[in-house]
Amino acid sequence: DAGVTQSPTHLIKTRGQQVTLRCSPKSGHDTVSWYQQALGQGPQFIFQYYEEEERQRGNFPDRFSGHQFPNYSSELNVNALLLGDSALYLCASREGSGSYEQYFGPGTRLTVT
Amino acid sequence: AQSVSQHNHHVILSEAASLELGCNYSYGGTVNLFWYVQYPGQHLQLLLKYFSGDPLVKGIKGFEAEFIKSKFSFNLRKPSVQWSDTAEYFCAVNAPGRRALTFGSGTRLQVQP
Repeated sequence: DAGVTQSPTHLIKTRGQQVTLRCSPKSGHDTVSWYQQALGQGPQFIFQYYEEEERQRGNFPDRFSGHQFPNYSSELNVNALLLGDSALYLCASREGSGSYEQYFGPGTRLTVT
Repeated sequence: AQSVSQHNHHVILSEAASLELGCNYSYGGTVNLFWYVQYPGQHLQLLLKYFSGDPLVKGIKGFEAEFIKSKFSFNLRKPSVQWSDTAEYFCAVNAPGRRALTFGSGTRLQVQP
């Protein structure tokens, strides 16, 4: 049973560029959330997708956007990258109905130079 | 808004010592409570969770946590730590019906052999 997978593992970008991160949820899960984890901090909620729609959003600017596909996989897009966007980006999945237990992927380490 | 405080940022223990990590949350209503662990180089894993019922919950690897509603606390305990418990521990909260997890800033536990 495959868990949550994310790609790529590491990424280096330059300020002002755009980046797309990808996530495949755990088998049987239909809800995907994205979190940003800065060094030495706990994960911060970015947004959550269910039925291909953004259902809730955290305190992140519009430069952060996402998408969910019919197969429940998801993308996180960040435009106009800033140095402060350097972080570990985590994807978490859960079953949409009822379960509050989220399963996390290994993350994508984004470095903005 | 929900917030989570973890008072111990870095804890160093010797093997066989007892562990207690503090977690306090601020939210006036019913909450779901979680402890996640992040071993070096690995992804976040769920240690234990509390939704309702017995306030003393047991998780994996000998960990337990006690929910004290009057103190808004959910402290993590283990009677005897092992070197393999070296990791970062995160407390997290969400309210039923809310989709996002709110994490504390984490506690780094270092167990010396």
